[in-house]
Amino acid sequence: DADVTQTPRNRITKTGKRIMLECSQTKGHDRMYWYRQDPGLGLRLIYYSFDVKDINKGEISDGYSVSRQAQAKFSLSLESAIPNQTALYFCATSDGRTEAFFGQGTRLTVV
Amino acid sequence: AQSVTQLDSQVPVFEEAPVELRCNYSSSVSVYLFWYVQYPNQGLQLLLKYLSGSTLVKGINGFEAEFNKSQTSFHLRKPSVHISDTAEYFCAVRAGGATNKLIFGTGTLLAVQP
Repeated sequence: DADVTQTPRNRITKTGKRIMLECSQTKGHDRMYWYRQDPGLGLRLIYYSFDVKDINKGEISDGYSVSRQAQAKFSLSLESAIPNQTALYFCATSDGRTEAFFGQGTRLTVV
Repeated sequence: AQSVTQLDSQVPVFEEAPVELRCNYSSSVSVYLFWYVQYPNQGLQLLLKYLSGSTLVKGINGFEAEFNKSQTSFHLRKPSVHISDTAEYFCAVRAGGATNKLIFGTGTLLAVQP
């Protein structure tokens, strides 16, 4: 089983719909992150969480919200999806001392 | 706040040639540096990391990088590339201290040609 699991792996949704991307980890890390990847822009940080009670906005949090349901679970929501939120989304975890571990990504298309 | 600049968006190179992918960072505090690789349609995999100690860091698949504090650089090198090295490479920096965010560069596509 993967250390960091993202669901779904692919999703097509309509403009205006609410959608949730889920992430779970078995690494036991306290820190979790959501990034989006766009061609030519690299990975940009949306939200990050250092523990269940600590949620922080990243560079591009507008239009997104998150929930840290447990140490192992960190969900990203798009309250009302728009086409420019079409991207590849990655969840990552870290212990804060070494590298981050990434999920396989969720490819989201908003039509 | 820290930032990362990858100067080359694409680097074409012939098989068995050497390659250098450039990465510069800015940070007012001590940093930890990483290179990740993303093969087509896959997630990110760690190539190598600098946390402390020796400034020359060796990673997987024959890659290495050198941390240069005075030039705020962490360039990635490989003496002889293979077709299978074709991928996108991301440099990332995490500042020491409480904030501890991991920030990525925009990526460099390494295209190895036969």
